[in-house]
Amino acid sequence: QKEVEQDPGPLSVPEGAIVSLNCTYSNSAFQYFMWYRQYSRKGPELLMYTYSSGNKEDGRFTAQVDKSSKYISLFIRDSQPSDSATYLCAVYNFNKFYFGSGTKLNVKP
Amino acid sequence: DTGVSQNPRHKITKRGQNVTFRCDPISEHNRLYWYRQTLGQGPEFLTYFQNEAQLEKSRLLSDRFSAERPKGSFSTLEIQRTEQGDSAMYLCASSPSGQGPTEAFFGQGTRLTVV
Repeated sequence: QKEVEQDPGPLSVPEGAIVSLNCTYSNSAFQYFMWYRQYSRKGPELLMYTYSSGNKEDGRFTAQVDKSSKYISLFIRDSQPSDSATYLCAVYNFNKFYFGSGTKLNVKP
Repeated sequence: DTGVSQNPRHKITKRGQNVTFRCDPISEHNRLYWYRQTLGQGPEFLTYFQNEAQLEKSRLLSDRFSAERPKGSFSTLEIQRTEQGDSAMYLCASSPSGQGPTEAFFGQGTRLTVV
């Protein structure tokens, strides 16, 4: 079983929509959760970093962790065409980051 | 540019050749990671350095792969006798020291094509 599972999409939404991206993870001991954004042929860019459960908000982005269900979510409000990218969730454990396979998002103007 | 720098950005090599990639981390970041990413997949862990010490190695890192970080600054990743299956994006990330993980920042990657 992979440490992190993520629906690969693709997900296509109109500009201005609320986007919900989700991952599940396997080990209840994981405490650190991250979301990265990756544009085509570029390295991943850190978007959000959360510890343990709860929500964290940064502008149009909200990261949510539900440890009871081992579920990680990223919400994007008022989505823009510039948000079109692949979004990777990740967890950290013992000197390693484990990534999901990424969800490709397309925001149509 | 004060981010993580990787060179070269692209490398095309013939099967059986050796290749070496370089990563310059963010200044004063003492944690350094190498990852490999294939099309449609997330990055997969290869190895981790704390300063100059290589503390973790994935079993993905066969004996054809070697990584070094002399003096705890830049790092190199060498692949010997390349195979077509080595074609991938090789990503380097660095992060500052601290309790638990800290934010890891990735470079733009080196895209390797083995023909």
